[in-house]
Amino acid sequence: GAGVSQSPSNKVTEKGKDVELRCDPISGHTALYWYRQSLGQGLEFLIYFQGNSAPDKSGLPSDRFSAERTGGSVSTLTIQRTQQEDSAVYLCASSLDTRSGNTIYFGEGSWLTVV
Amino acid sequence: GNSVTQMEGPVTLSEEAFLTINCTYTATGYPSLFWYVQYPGEGLQLLLKATKADDKGSNKGFEATYRKETTSFHLEKGSVQVSDSAVYFCALSDRVRGGANSKLTFGKGITLSVRP
Repeated sequence: GAGVSQSPSNKVTEKGKDVELRCDPISGHTALYWYRQSLGQGLEFLIYFQGNSAPDKSGLPSDRFSAERTGGSVSTLTIQRTQQEDSAVYLCASSLDTRSGNTIYFGEGSWLTVV
Repeated sequence: GNSVTQMEGPVTLSEEAFLTINCTYTATGYPSLFWYVQYPGEGLQLLLKATKADDKGSNKGFEATYRKETTSFHLEKGSVQVSDSAVYFCALSDRVRGGANSKLTFGKGITLSVRP
């Protein structure tokens, strides 16, 4: 597609429920990234994919967070048993590949509110 | 580890004023440096980048020069406009020798407001 597409754009969920956030990267981009943006923490790296594999999952906050990517394209970030501290904007981004210096393009984010 | 430090905000300027936003970094490898901008209600957009020492990135009247000796990448604009009001993030991606890693490390961001 023309840009990185994320859905849903807004999600309100009850504490303890599971949520899935979807990312559709720019066509042809092999690298895909998930970041989280919150007031207290700024922009935090969560995980990135090169193709379908995830060489770096170091930013996932806990084992309640997981992500997968299939077919080298769409990715899903899943948060199980959501907590109020998970409320944030979840940003997906993609780039042509993982070479440093490549431009990373961001989606508009999925705003998650846990009540 | 890698880190990016931005000057504290917010910053409020009058239209046509000169803008400088400071950014310094710490990196273990050979970083590329970026400025991203987030306009109200919009997603993060790349403003400019520089991939090696002494390179100058420029876009929309903004400039930043990669200074390895001072580990800095300060953002400047000679005459700001109301439409430049946004949050600005400095970031780096570290290129480790023999490796490939374009994961971005961001500064905390700074809010710029430009008054008419």
